[in-house]
Amino acid sequence: EPEVTQTPSHQVTQMGQEVILHCVPISNHLYFYWYRQILGQKVEFLVSFYNNEISEKSEIFDDQFSVERPDGSNFTLKIRSTKLEDSAMYFCASSIEIHYNEQFFGPGTRLTVL
Amino acid sequence: GQQVMQIPQYQHVQEGEDFTTYCNSSTTLSNIQWYKQRPGGHPVFLIQLVKSGEVKKQKRLTFQFGEAKKNSSLHITATQTTDVGTYFCAGPPGNTGKLIFGQGTTLQVKP
Repeated sequence: EPEVTQTPSHQVTQMGQEVILHCVPISNHLYFYWYRQILGQKVEFLVSFYNNEISEKSEIFDDQFSVERPDGSNFTLKIRSTKLEDSAMYFCASSIEIHYNEQFFGPGTRLTVL
Repeated sequence: GQQVMQIPQYQHVQEGEDFTTYCNSSTTLSNIQWYKQRPGGHPVFLIQLVKSGEVKKQKRLTFQFGEAKKNSSLHITATQTTDVGTYFCAGPPGNTGKLIFGQGTTLQVKP
């Protein structure tokens, strides 16, 4: 069964450093998303991406965040200068359509900012 | 903005007992989705409800969407230890793909 993959599974970084989280969505999906989940809390939407551009972003997704689809398969989330409060689990998700369609989540990358 | 609330936050049940979690949105939803997250895992899609008053069943799980399309519930009959996890409802605000998640209900099942 096709699945979303994410690397690395765990990333530890120093405050102020840049990190790039990697995702490979399901191959025939067209819509891609990043969510984050602070430990023990709910899942929060960050950004959606379609046709090589951002469709929508949340207030959390400020100028420190960016997304890219550098080739036909990868979808990355970059945080330019990490803060302590960026520590969370980051989930990538993809879906075939944008409306009325389930989103498939990857296993997540746990980001720890020291 | 849209808010999605879920109650209860935690539920401990004895194996074999029933379990229900309730979800309420501050705005009308075009659809509502339910996800399950096992401890240490990622959200896994369970079901989507689209129509007002819709009821769907998956084995021991029954999902309902309210008439006003602002609330939903998930009921599990005769819980098993494999039901352990956090159950999230999520809905898209308006005509959008992003999902606004509720806080989730964490279910613990004592064997």
